[in-house]
Amino acid sequence: NAGVTQTPKFQVLKTGQSMTLQCAQDMNHNSMYWYRQDPGMGLRLIYYSASEGTTDKGEVPNGYNVSRLNKREFSLRLESAAPSQTSVYFCASRAGDSYNEQFFGPGTRLTVL
Amino acid sequence: GQQVMQIPQYQHVQEGEDFTTYCNSSTTLSNIQWYKQRPGGHPVFLIQLVKSGEVKKQKRLTFQFGEAKKNSSLHITATQTTDVGTYFCAGQGSYIPTFGRGTSLIVHP
Repeated sequence: NAGVTQTPKFQVLKTGQSMTLQCAQDMNHNSMYWYRQDPGMGLRLIYYSASEGTTDKGEVPNGYNVSRLNKREFSLRLESAAPSQTSVYFCASRAGDSYNEQFFGPGTRLTVL
Repeated sequence: GQQVMQIPQYQHVQEGEDFTTYCNSSTTLSNIQWYKQRPGGHPVFLIQLVKSGEVKKQKRLTFQFGEAKKNSSLHITATQTTDVGTYFCAGQGSYIPTFGRGTSLIVHP
């Protein structure tokens, strides 16, 4: 039981390059989330998926797209990376509504030059 | 939209001293969750508070939820070096959780 896994762990991009961050969970959770964490800014929600087949914008969605591929997988895509997207990205999942705890993946450290 | 303010941003303590972090929401919350993130790690769930005025304890940690369900606090008694990390509250007012910016606890031995 791996919980929430993320790939890659580290990535360096040049401005304008694209990439996809992968996230998978093996807990049969309905809801999945993508956050970014910047120093002093806490965790800011980028996108979330309340259930398979649905996605919604969070607080900071600009420059990102997501795909809920199936119940297990939720990917985050940067189409044209910018230095402002340098951050640590966390994927999280939870069983259902707001009364359930979130389980976080180990994170992806992304640097955009 | 919902905002959750958390103070202080940093707290330095000597080992053995107490520590408190506070969260305040702009709106009434259905529940509030607390998470801990160790340096270089990911957030890990600590506890959830649901009822008005609720108090929960986990060993040296005491969590409180305000009567109006708009504020919460985490108090650690007699800090240890293992308490080092950033503590986040996450307010649940709607479906989307809103995290505070976190309080980083630094414990000096």
